[in-house]
Amino acid sequence: EVQLVESGGGVVQPGGSLRLSCAASGFTFSSFWMHWVRQAPGEGLVWVSRISTDGSSTTYADSVKGRFTVSRDNAKNTLYLQLNSLRAEDTAVYYCARPRITGIPDGFDPWGQGTLVTVSS
Amino acid sequence: DIVMTQSPDSLAVSLGERATINCKSSQSVLYSSNKKNYLAWYRQKPGHPPKLVISWASARESGVPDRFSGSGSGTDFTLTISSLQAEDVAVYYCQQYYSPPYTFGQGTKLEIK
Repeated sequence: EVQLVESGGGVVQPGGSLRLSCAASGFTFSSFWMHWVRQAPGEGLVWVSRISTDGSSTTYADSVKGRFTVSRDNAKNTLYLQLNSLRAEDTAVYYCARPRITGIPDGFDPWGQGTLVTVSS
Repeated sequence: DIVMTQSPDSLAVSLGERATINCKSSQSVLYSSNKKNYLAWYRQKPGHPPKLVISWASARESGVPDRFSGSGSGTDFTLTISSLQAEDVAVYYCQQYYSPPYTFGQGTKLEIK
């Protein structure tokens, strides 16, 4: 079964840091670009970041550029998102997601169940 | 960035009736070399992650009922549910994956009238 499982969320103070993980199973992780998407409570979906199959290319939304870093460990089948200089507006459920097929951009399927990050003093 | 705008923001439809959700992109998401529209539709139920319903603007995902259909090209797209069922109540999002950032529409909340 193709599966993505996020972890690492929690409560952090403004200005703090957190590292999210996404463990992948059931598919050849190293063959897929991977993405992070977030959703603030009661709000819509916002694309955050993507990383290439070998980790050499990364892209970020302007709202997180310079503060968040995406990385991956293909030997461990794990995707990461390092969140630094956190702000209240970063409070959200963070999802990792995989394109439906490899090789070209595509819709996201599957998604993980999400991990909640709360930035609050 | 490509801005995705959905209409309406919310929609109430009677069971068995047709539901139509529109999505407009600020620039074309039709890739000229392969004639494909880089547009997806998702359904999200409360407390759950989104689920891919339609990719490439009109390709229904495996397991998605055939009452769901997608249409449109370039900048204007539509998700249609031909005969609304109770389990279709959800928020629906369009997304472009033509160029990063892969932006989503603001969502359309679909309810039973």
